[in-house]
Amino acid sequence: DAGITQSPRHKVTETGTPVTLRCHQTENHRYMYWYRQDPGHGLRLIHYSYGVKDTDKGEVSDGYSVSRSKTEDFLLTLESATSSQTSVYFCAISGTGGKGYTFGSGTRLTVV
Amino acid sequence: TQLLEQSPQFLSIQEGENLTVYCNSSSVFSSLQWYRQEPGEGPVLLVTVVTGGEVKKLKRLTFQFGDARKDSSLHITAAQPGDTGLYLCAGDPNDYKLSFGAGTTVTVRA
Repeated sequence: DAGITQSPRHKVTETGTPVTLRCHQTENHRYMYWYRQDPGHGLRLIHYSYGVKDTDKGEVSDGYSVSRSKTEDFLLTLESATSSQTSVYFCAISGTGGKGYTFGSGTRLTVV
Repeated sequence: TQLLEQSPQFLSIQEGENLTVYCNSSSVFSSLQWYRQEPGEGPVLLVTVVTGGEVKKLKRLTFQFGDARKDSSLHITAAQPGDTGLYLCAGDPNDYKLSFGAGTTVTVRA
């Protein structure tokens, strides 16, 4: 009965290919976020959304795009995957913005 | 450069010992949050502190927000192996985007 699910959980892809990660929520929360987690860097914000079709960049947005056509779905696309994008990607949701995030279980992406 | 600096980066202690993790910044936050993350899972929210000087307790975990709302600490009393995990602090320098510290990996040995 998780309120947020990410898919896929694991993916291996080749350099130069496009990749789309999906985040799905059942909580009807307004805010959705994509973070990447790398050793020594903690969680860094890639993109976020504050409503349907309303998105903005985070601190590490280069090479990534997002779309949110429905409240429940937030897609992250790596336009042309590079080895530096090998990481664990987390989606998070919040009903109130900067408080009380709920995270998904993550997607481990390997770019070879 | 991390907006929030956590220390120490790693902490390994024996079951029953106490530990403290620190989270510091030069910025003022309207609130700070602490999360715990276990391997293969996403972070889980432990607590949110919103008032300068606030102290919150969650069983054996004590969280404190600095008077100036720039720093926070997490103290665990009589640590148990189940407390093992990555502890992350996070703050909202603007209204709806959290910034995270790099985390403190805590290992409690039985």
